[in-house]
Amino acid sequence: EVQLVQSGAEVKKPGESLKISCQGYGYSFTRYWIGWVRQMPGKGLEWMGIIYPADSATRYSPSFQGQVTISADKSISTAYLQWSSLKASDTAMYYCATQGYCTSTGCPALDSWGQGTLVTVSS
Amino acid sequence: DIQMTQSPSSLSASVGDRVTITCRASQSISSYLNWYQQKPGKAPKLLIYAASSLQSGVPSRFSGSGSGTDFTLTISSLQPEDFATYYCQQSYTTLGTFGQGTKVEIK
Repeated sequence: EVQLVQSGAEVKKPGESLKISCQGYGYSFTRYWIGWVRQMPGKGLEWMGIIYPADSATRYSPSFQGQVTISADKSISTAYLQWSSLKASDTAMYYCATQGYCTSTGCPALDSWGQGTLVTVSS
Repeated sequence: DIQMTQSPSSLSASVGDRVTITCRASQSISSYLNWYQQKPGKAPKLLIYAASSLQSGVPSRFSGSGSGTDFTLTISSLQPEDFATYYCQQSYTTLGTFGQGTKVEIK
């Protein structure tokens, strides 16, 4: 069974850096893409970006390009989402999820999700 | 960008009711439409993929239909555990957009 386990909740101050993680269990980590999804308090789901751990190919949503960095270490089956300088508006729940490989006509659904990491940024 | 619009934004229903949620895409997305359920404080869960395919382990009272731009999620007989927020998502494009969500509440 595919399982994604995310790192614990974080409380940070504006301007601080942060790296949160998502570790995969129960499958070959290089088989699927890993995506990151943001959910701000009381709001809906937003795609941030996605990474293919086999070769670290990465795609970012335009809203998040340059704001975050997505990376992966396939040797420890872990994907990361990091910020160099947090803002109060980064306060949100962040989810990782697996996605199969896209074809020329479309992509599969996000079929396994981590439990989420709550990031709170406050002075 | 492809915009996804769900309706209604919220609804109140009783146990046993038939519930229908619609999702409209701003352009044709073929059958690349997925539905997720999210309960408070929990991660989203995949219910339906490719417009009408039921994810393994999901009760058969959930069904999806549609293609092109108009899609529907139906719960044939609402159960207490179905009160949640439901999101559609297009996966026609990489990083496919989500709808704004439909909250299903107890009447």
